[in-house]
Amino acid sequence: QMQLVASGGGVVQPGRSLRLSCTASGFTFNFHGMHWLRQAPGKGLEWVALISYDGRNNYYADSVKGRFTISRDNSENTLFLQMNTLRPEDTAVYYCARDRWGGFPVPAALTYWGQGTRVIVSS
Amino acid sequence: QSVLTQSPSVSAAPGQRVTISCSGSSSNIGNNHVSWYQQFPGTAPKLLIYDSDQRPSGIPDRFSGSKSGTSATLGISGLQTGDEADYYCGTWDSSLRTVVFGGGTKLTVL
Repeated sequence: QMQLVASGGGVVQPGRSLRLSCTASGFTFNFHGMHWLRQAPGKGLEWVALISYDGRNNYYADSVKGRFTISRDNSENTLFLQMNTLRPEDTAVYYCARDRWGGFPVPAALTYWGQGTRVIVSS
Repeated sequence: QSVLTQSPSVSAAPGQRVTISCSGSSSNIGNNHVSWYQQFPGTAPKLLIYDSDQRPSGIPDRFSGSKSGTSATLGISGLQTGDEADYYCGTWDSSLRTVVFGGGTKLTVL
């Protein structure tokens, strides 16, 4: 069955970096756009970034633009989020999610979500 | 401040019908499909409605979606205590070029 397993979260000091991974199985990974989203403690959902099915196009939330980079390795069915210059306000559970279609030029619904990985930015 | 506006909470009795609204603008709901997600505490969100009014396989027909102009609505009929959750609307914003969500609505089944 479909599975998205996010990993790489942890506790990190402000200004440092962290790389999240999301390993996919049970579907044709290179057919689908992929998203990262996050949810701060007690808060709502916030979309972070999207990468198209082929990795050629991406979009970012203004809150992370220039600090975070989304990428994918279709040969390994894996999605990444490189997070640099982390801030306390980046503290959240980070989810990876599959787009219904290829993700570009306009993303569609997020049809399946992974379980999330927790990131805590604190000194 | 969320781009899409949802009421923070709604409540109804078991068996009743409830609607959850989501208000946006021409750059998001007005010109793009809306999705609805259900989230139980401590778990990942789950897609309930896509393309404004379509249900994925496995979602009961008690859940319905509609869109009119710059607003969208999620309807839940035959309420069950197991429907208590947070519900989020989401869509693409063509001007911002980002996915946007509502702040979420907490459903309480009394």
